[in-house]
Amino acid sequence: QKEVEQDPGPLSVPEGAIVSLNCTYSNSAFQYFMWYRQYSRKGPELLMYTYSSGNKEDGRFTAQVDKSSKYISLFIRDSQPSDSATYLCAMTPNAGGTSYGKLTFGQGTILTVHP
Amino acid sequence: DADVTQTPRNRITKTGKRIMLECSQTKGHDRMYWYRQDPGLGLRLIYYSFDVKDINKGEISDGYSVSRQAQAKFSLSLESAIPNQTALYFCATSGQGTYGYTFGSGTRLTVV
Repeated sequence: QKEVEQDPGPLSVPEGAIVSLNCTYSNSAFQYFMWYRQYSRKGPELLMYTYSSGNKEDGRFTAQVDKSSKYISLFIRDSQPSDSATYLCAMTPNAGGTSYGKLTFGQGTILTVHP
Repeated sequence: DADVTQTPRNRITKTGKRIMLECSQTKGHDRMYWYRQDPGLGLRLIYYSFDVKDINKGEISDGYSVSRQAQAKFSLSLESAIPNQTALYFCATSGQGTYGYTFGSGTRLTVV
């Protein structure tokens, strides 16, 4: 079983829809959670970054972490065609130990927002 | 110039050939990483380096080797390429105490 599971989709939604992207994980040591966005033929770029449980909002994007359920989500409000990309969740344990600084990625979800 | 530059962008090579993928960064970060990306499998860590004298294997290091020539340069070699190594390869860098990576644009490698 993978440490981080993410539904690869593909997910297709109309412009303006609310998009929900999710990941589950098994390693309770994970403390830092990130979402990366990857456009076609480009490297991933950091979109959102949260520590431990809770919510974080940035414009149309909201990241949620529920450590008790080992479940993280990314919500995109008022989705736009420019949001069409692959979204990857990533996570890493707290400072210290051999895993410090190394990210474990989900498989990525392909999202298409059509006009 | 890009913060992380990977060369070449695309490469087709034959089975059994040795090939080197190069990465350089201008972020001034100590940490550098090599990942490969395959459809449905996401990004998997091949090797990582936390400073010039530190090299560590990732989860899929078999068949690969790396060289950290300087703080800014980290190369990945395939000693004897096989078709199973056909993938998209990414180099990334991060600063100490931070968790956000800066990725290069990737090298698309095809082994025939």
